[in-house]
Amino acid sequence: EVQVVQSGIEVKKPGESLKISCKGSGYTFTNYWFGWVRQKPGKGLEWLGVIHASDSETRVSPSFQGQITMSVDKSISTTYLQWSSLKASDTAIYYCARLMSTVYMEVWGPGTTVTVSS
Amino acid sequence: EIVLTQSPATLSLSPGERATLSCRASQSVRYYLAWYQQKPGQAPRLLIYDATNRATGIPARFSGSGSGTDFTLSISSLEPEDFAVYYCQQRTNWPLTFGGGTKVEIK
Repeated sequence: EVQVVQSGIEVKKPGESLKISCKGSGYTFTNYWFGWVRQKPGKGLEWLGVIHASDSETRVSPSFQGQITMSVDKSISTTYLQWSSLKASDTAIYYCARLMSTVYMEVWGPGTTVTVSS
Repeated sequence: EIVLTQSPATLSLSPGERATLSCRASQSVRYYLAWYQQKPGQAPRLLIYDATNRATGIPARFSGSGSGTDFTLSISSLEPEDFAVYYCQQRTNWPLTFGGGTKVEIK
């Protein structure tokens, strides 16, 4: 089955670091781009960036440049989204999705809920 | 950055009615526009890509049209499971961007 599985709920304090994961299965992981989308409580979708699973080529939205880092571990078919210092405003659901060849988000994970609160 | 403006913000309709959702781009995106559906508590689902192409498994009652700056998602006859929020997204320029969404609610 073609799927994207994401890591579980995270509760963190401001200033802490965090790395969430997104594992692909049912296809050749390194053939695809993977994207990350943020959804704050009760709000719309925000595109964070994409990473290619083969060579880790990355494109990050200017709105999030310097705030997030994306990476890949091909050996375990997993891509990551990480923060070095979380803020309360990072509280959101973070979705990972496999992209089609045409760059649209075709196979979505269930989302990882991140809560940042003191 | 290309800004996508969706209208209306909320559409109140009854099952069986036709829904027409609009997405307008701040500059031409040619035909490089997708539509997604999101139900409460669920991840978004790709419905339409490149303006007019239905994604795998999407029922024929969903159709997309438009090019340049003006796009439409139509649902020919609303089923109970179609009441959700719909987003458009462009892939013409980086960064990729989403519209603000249209909520289709039961009247």
